[in-house]
Amino acid sequence: AQTVTQSQPEMSVQEAETVTLSCTYDTSESDYYLFWYKQPPSRQMILVIRQEAYKQQNATENRFSVNFQKAAKSFSLKISDSQLGDAAMYFCAYRSPSYTSGTYKYIFGTGTRLKVLA
Amino acid sequence: DGGITQSPKYLFRKEGQNVTLSCEQNLNHDAMYWYRQDPGQGLRLIYYSQIVNDFQKGDIAEGYSVSREKKESFPLTVTSAQKNPTAFYLCASRLHGYTFGSGTRLTVV
Repeated sequence: AQTVTQSQPEMSVQEAETVTLSCTYDTSESDYYLFWYKQPPSRQMILVIRQEAYKQQNATENRFSVNFQKAAKSFSLKISDSQLGDAAMYFCAYRSPSYTSGTYKYIFGTGTRLKVLA
Repeated sequence: DGGITQSPKYLFRKEGQNVTLSCEQNLNHDAMYWYRQDPGQGLRLIYYSQIVNDFQKGDIAEGYSVSREKKESFPLTVTSAQKNPTAFYLCASRLHGYTFGSGTRLTVV
């Protein structure tokens, strides 16, 4: 069974600095999708970035980028020029490519709470 | 604008009572999901539905029930059989990726 591990329950970063959130996963599948979701105090889940496992190039969305190491099964999120609005809970998620049991199953990590210090 | 609406935002349940959480989407997505979020445990899948009149149990379905009579609606009932219902509940729909609602906080009083 697939698992997703976020080993940092909480991280802090100074405004305008860079921070990296860690995520590791375990799977026997060769093709899959990885996501980072942001959950601000409003509790709404917002997609930050997505990575297809078959792509070697790391995904980038403005100040957010990932370091995808497929062999190491690592998927870290780097936030550059951190802003106060980046403060939130961040969840790493794995999606199987297999349309098993009628759905694409997502598996979420336990989250990392990011604090941004002014 | 298209999106997912969950209501109510806060819900209080007495012991032994059934309560229903609403989830409505106007995205024309076929697939809909219910997740439960507890501190330190991430999101856990309760039920999901791929099409109207069909739904499947997720990882923690005991004590919950759902229906999918319309494509737009996927209500979740938390029954008295759910022994620890206090949690935050998130509804999602999917096309290429998930779109989440804003959640319902359920508290047992």
